[in-house]
Amino acid sequence: GAVVSQHPSWVICKSGTSVKIECRSLDFQATTMFWYRQFPKQSLMLMATSNEGSKATYEQGVEKDKFLINHASLTLSTLTVTSAHPEDSSFYICSANGISVNQPQHFGDGTRLSIL
Amino acid sequence: RKEVEQDPGPFNVPEGATVAFNCTYSNSASQSFFWYRQDCRKEPKLLMSVYSSGNEDGRFTAQLNRASQYISLLIRDSKLSDSATYLCVVNRGNTPLVFGKGTRLSVIA
Repeated sequence: GAVVSQHPSWVICKSGTSVKIECRSLDFQATTMFWYRQFPKQSLMLMATSNEGSKATYEQGVEKDKFLINHASLTLSTLTVTSAHPEDSSFYICSANGISVNQPQHFGDGTRLSIL
Repeated sequence: RKEVEQDPGPFNVPEGATVAFNCTYSNSASQSFFWYRQDCRKEPKLLMSVYSSGNEDGRFTAQLNRASQYISLLIRDSKLSDSATYLCVVNRGNTPLVFGKGTRLSVIA
C-alpha cells in the first residue's frame, strides 16, 4: 500500500490563487521530504528539501518566497504555490526517504496543477 | 554535462522483443543506483536496484559498471504493459536522488 500520501491529486484554479499541496508519510516518520516538479516530457527536477523543524533547502533557481514549504511535523510537509500563474502549471511530486537502503525514496501520487 | 544521462528514445519494439537501455553518470562518488519506472501522469515507482554483480528480477536484468560509470537495463520478452518511461537514478549518499531524463519505451502488439 501507499506509504506517502499526497493531496490533492488535481487542482485547477485561476491565476493569482495560492495553492497548498500536502504530503504525508503513513506509518513512518519522515524527517526529510523532497519536492519535485516535472514539466511534460521533462525529467523530475528537485525543487527543495524539506526538513522537519527547520527551514527548507531550495535548489538554485527556485524562489523560496513563491514556493513556501512547511514541515512542522514528522509526518507532514506542505508546499504552497503562492500567487500561481500559468507558467507554474506542472506535475508536483513529493517523496520521503525510505526506511531501507533498497527502497531509497517513497513517492506520493503527485499533484497536477493547472493554472488558468 | 548532466549528472545522469540517458537516451530519451522513444524505443518502439514489438511484443516479445528484447530491449536494452543505457545510462551514464558523471559523479564517481555516487553510491547506489536504481531504475525507476514512470507511467504517464503518474509518480515514479522503483523497478529495481542495480548492483555491481548484476541482478535479475524476472524479465529484467540490471548491470552496473563502476569503472565506466555506466548502468544498463535489459528487458526480455517485452509485454505491452512494459510501455513506460524508465528513469536511471543515482544516489550520492545523504543527498537527494538524481534522476535521469528517462527513456521512453513503447511496446507494440
